[in-house]
Amino acid sequence: EAGVAQSPRYKIIEKRQSVAFWCNPISGHATLYWYQQILGQGPKLLIQFQNNGVVDDSQLPKDRFSAERLKGVDSTLKIQPAKLEDSAVYLCASSFIGGTGELFFGEGSRLTVL
Amino acid sequence: DQQVKQNSPSLSVQEGRISILNCDYTNSMFDYFLWYKKYPAEGPTFLISISSIKDKNEDGRFTVFLNKSAKHLSLHIVPSQPGDSAVYFCAASDGGSNYKLTFGKGTLLTVNP
Repeated sequence: EAGVAQSPRYKIIEKRQSVAFWCNPISGHATLYWYQQILGQGPKLLIQFQNNGVVDDSQLPKDRFSAERLKGVDSTLKIQPAKLEDSAVYLCASSFIGGTGELFFGEGSRLTVL
Repeated sequence: DQQVKQNSPSLSVQEGRISILNCDYTNSMFDYFLWYKKYPAEGPTFLISISSIKDKNEDGRFTVFLNKSAKHLSLHIVPSQPGDSAVYFCAASDGGSNYKLTFGKGTLLTVNP
């Protein structure tokens, strides 16, 4: 079974530039999550989708972050404009509907903002 | 406001000995707890979980204990192996939040041969 795929693995940009990350979840997983992990911290949920709909985006900085999940499969997370404090690993995860928290994570996309 | 706390940033143990990783939580609504393991440059992988209706769950060398009155859980690894060296994250959720996970900061476990 293929795991959660993410790209790019690494990205370096200047502040105020934009960046986009892509995620393809495990086939059949209706729930998709984007987490932000800053160095030395645990992952923090940015947004949770169930199929096409947003379940929770309460911690997403909506003035600069956006995410979409078209057709209930792939998802993209965009940051525009980026700030220095956005430097982090962006983790995508997926799970079955009704799962009790056993998430399957991708390898992450490491963003460095200079 | 940290709702899930792992107060030990790191732990070092000898191969074959027991590793005990601790986690405290403050939100009494949490009813499901999980441990994830993370190797460098990889995403976290699920290790073991426990529901609040239990006080112990065992899976091979890994056992999680839950003390609801103290809002404390611990992960025991016996015997510890060098391949267990990783960052361990404690996470918690409540069913009413669509199982949104709140993670601790993690504990780096090093198992020395």
